[in-house]
Amino acid sequence: GAVVSQHPSWVICKSGTSVKIECRSLDFQATTMFWYRQFPKQSLMLMATSNEGSKATYEQGVEKDKFLINHASLTLSTLTVTSAHPEDSSFYICSARDETVSQETQYFGPGTRLLVL
Amino acid sequence: KQEVTQIPAALSVPEGENLVLNCSFTDSAIYNLQWFRQDPGKGLTSLLLIQSSQREQTSGRLNASLDKSSGRSTLYIAASQPGDSATYLCAVRVGSARQLTFGSGTQLTVLP
Repeated sequence: GAVVSQHPSWVICKSGTSVKIECRSLDFQATTMFWYRQFPKQSLMLMATSNEGSKATYEQGVEKDKFLINHASLTLSTLTVTSAHPEDSSFYICSARDETVSQETQYFGPGTRLLVL
Repeated sequence: KQEVTQIPAALSVPEGENLVLNCSFTDSAIYNLQWFRQDPGKGLTSLLLIQSSQREQTSGRLNASLDKSSGRSTLYIAASQPGDSATYLCAVRVGSARQLTFGSGTQLTVLP
């Protein structure tokens, strides 16, 4: 099956710093990738939809100036958490759709755990 | 707005039992429904995807059914094993929307 990777798998940073998380589709091209956030014992909440070559679409309540998304190629999307604060500590998961597959299954990355001190 | 609910939130069963996980959604106009497995601290693994025109899908010991009119799906796990212990999430895709709406998950523990 298709593989989606994320880097780094975990990161600890000081409050006020910026953190970049990469999401790559390894064996297919993805014009659309999705970024989710998951707090402990809660489900995934969609943050934004990343569109290759255009601006991301953010969900209501998600600050686009704080969570910068760049989808510069068909295999890479990045999420930058700017001026991170402890409340940004969470598990961030990306996913990508292989639009050549008829059933349009979404493939998920392994997640990135962010801890802001 | 689509809402997805999963019951129970947690379930513990002895090894070998058959079990059913439930998922309900408020907007029956779905494009498809997907069941995922999530191990602690890990990403999601897709288990089964059911298109809106389908009634069920099977993969090994797993069987997922879909009743669109009543807004329900079930995931049946036969002969459960300790390795099945994980959180199971269902998610629906509505119409032309590209994103999935997730339920809160059922945390399953299969005791040896």
